[in-house]
Amino acid sequence: GENVEQHPSTLSVQEGDSAVIKCTYSDSASNYFPWYKQELGKGPQLIIDIRSNVGEKKDQRIAVTLNKTAKHFSLHITETQPEDSAVYFCAAIHYSSASKIIFGSGTRLSIRP
Amino acid sequence: DAGVTQSPTHLIKTRGQQVTLRCSPKSGHDTVSWYQQALGQGPQFIFQYYEEEERQRGNFPDRFSGHQYPNYSSELNVNALLLGDSALYLCASSLGPGANVLTFGAGSRLTVL
Repeated sequence: GENVEQHPSTLSVQEGDSAVIKCTYSDSASNYFPWYKQELGKGPQLIIDIRSNVGEKKDQRIAVTLNKTAKHFSLHITETQPEDSAVYFCAAIHYSSASKIIFGSGTRLSIRP
Repeated sequence: DAGVTQSPTHLIKTRGQQVTLRCSPKSGHDTVSWYQQALGQGPQFIFQYYEEEERQRGNFPDRFSGHQYPNYSSELNVNALLLGDSALYLCASSLGPGANVLTFGAGSRLTVL
């Protein structure tokens, strides 16, 4: 079955610097890759997603890149702010299992003032 | 517009007991999925309900069962609780079983003693 690996598990960056989180997936039939942000006491919230026919997508300070050949995808956050502190999850979805999201193990991002 | 609501927010049970968790989907959504999130890990897919039937199931034993009502609300039942069932149980709703974009609730934190 599908497996998603996520690195690093923890990340601390200075406010204003960039943060990068990387994931790899195992099933080449996965075609949708969402990223979720989970704040303390809340459920995961979708922040950006990318489909397999696109190599890069950007939304203000957040961008995601996808390398289908290498089965890698990454989240980039620029100009980090204190409110970016949270746990981030990458995920992959097989084209035939729309709601069966396979999550990575998560990255705890801390923004230092 | 109310999002996904879950109840109870916290509960404590002892081994061997049974538990029922409840979920009301986001207004306009008709599909409910349940996830188990152990401490420090990503959510794992339990099952999905659509049109009052279980449509997809993850790798969870039969002790985990569910139900969906005509108003689209859903319940997750776990029988013969084990210590390892302690986790945050997340409900997510979507428009249709084939939808990739899910809206998550804040979860029900279950502790089994």
